Amino acid sequence: DIQMTQSPSSLSASVGDRVTITCRPSQNSSSHLNWYQQKPGKAPNLLIYGASILQSGVPSRFSGSGSGTDFTLTISSLQPEDFATYYCQQALSVTFGGGTKVEIK
Amino acid sequence: QVQLVESGGGVVQPGRSLRLSCAASGFTFKYYGMHWVRQAPGKGLEWVAVIWYDGSNKYYADSVKGRFTISRDNSNNTLYLQMNSLRAEDTAVFYCARGTWLDSSGWYFDYWGQGALVTVSS
Repeated sequence: DIQMTQSPSSLSASVGDRVTITCRPSQNSSSHLNWYQQKPGKAPNLLIYGASILQSGVPSRFSGSGSGTDFTLTISSLQPEDFATYYCQQALSVTFGGGTKVEIK
Repeated sequence: QVQLVESGGGVVQPGRSLRLSCAASGFTFKYYGMHWVRQAPGKGLEWVAVIWYDGSNKYYADSVKGRFTISRDNSNNTLYLQMNSLRAEDTAVFYCARGTWLDSSGWYFDYWGQGALVTVSS
């Protein structure tokens, strides 16, 4: 079974900061990696699929990169509405990472 | 617009059964694979099950295999999750999600329902 390791599990940042979240699958995942954002009490929302393809309607400050066993989600300039929990997902096994909670500093 | 609306959640005793429904609208339901994902209170996301667009294939997480059954009714645009032999650890919000498959990207879940809370407690 594929294990998905996200880091950090939480972080504190300020509005305007550049934020980077890492996801490391235990097996080579090529570009089969998705990212979701979830706000409290809400369903997850797809941000990125195919490691780097921005879902329609998602702000361009979100970007994804990586391949194989090392992937990154970057928020170029953190906005107030971006405080949430972020999950990666391996797109073949559909296994989720443990999540990264982005909090206000 | 695409809508997924879950129903059927509630409080159930351990060992009993419950069936969740997910009513789909705003897209051609019979063309898409559908998934169930759950989230225990204060925890992360856990994939539960998938059913192919035509119902020909079904796959389950090890944690629910043999107890849960996913099914669909393409004539009524509805997805189901039959949950038997429920345990306290099945307590979670259950989401249905539309799955889009690309050969180059694998699955991604582009639309989600609002979730249905299932509480297993005596």
